[in-house]
Amino acid sequence: EIVLTQSPGTLSLSPGERATLSCRASQSVSGSSLAWHQQKPGQAPRLLIYGASNRATGIPDRFSGSGSGTDFTLTISRLEPEDFAVYYCQQYGNSRTFGQGTKVEIK
Amino acid sequence: QVQLVQSGSELQKPGASVKVSCKASGYTFTGYAMHWVRQAPGQGPEYMGWINTNTGNPTYAQGFTGRFVFSLDTSVSTAYLQISSLKAEDSAVYYCAAFDLGDYWGQGTLVTVSS
Repeated sequence: EIVLTQSPGTLSLSPGERATLSCRASQSVSGSSLAWHQQKPGQAPRLLIYGASNRATGIPDRFSGSGSGTDFTLTISRLEPEDFAVYYCQQYGNSRTFGQGTKVEIK
Repeated sequence: QVQLVQSGSELQKPGASVKVSCKASGYTFTGYAMHWVRQAPGQGPEYMGWINTNTGNPTYAQGFTGRFVFSLDTSVSTAYLQISSLKAEDSAVYYCAAFDLGDYWGQGTLVTVSS
């Protein structure tokens, strides 16, 4: 099973700042089959990025993904108030597994 | 439009069983696998596995063998998750999802296991 480790656990930032979230896999993720999800309280996760760097339909361009192999990054260029939430990475190259999440909170 | 509608919250005692349903609409049910995800309170999602909606063949992820059973009723486009011998640590929100179709999740079903 591929284990995904996200860092940091919590990111305290102000609106307008840049957020950089990391996801490291225990082994190489085939085909860059890595997605990022955003989750708000009481809601199902929402897909932001698939294939490591492709934005899902309707996702603003302030969200971007990068990386390959075992190291992946989600960047939010300028935080909007609605971006404060928990973010999860998911690999789908070998079965599926999720990371434990990074909470982006208002500083 | 694609919809996955799950059954309502459940409160069960330890040792009991529970069956969660997920009714699909807006697409050909047998064309896409149905996946199941568990999310315990304050924790990240855990992938439970998937069921081939064409053949009924289930595949369970590590940690979800034995007490967990995926099943189907294709006549009503519904997938089911049954959990037997419930334990307190099974308390979580359970989601069905049609990942292969797109980013489609059910609304989640809260299962609480408490005496």
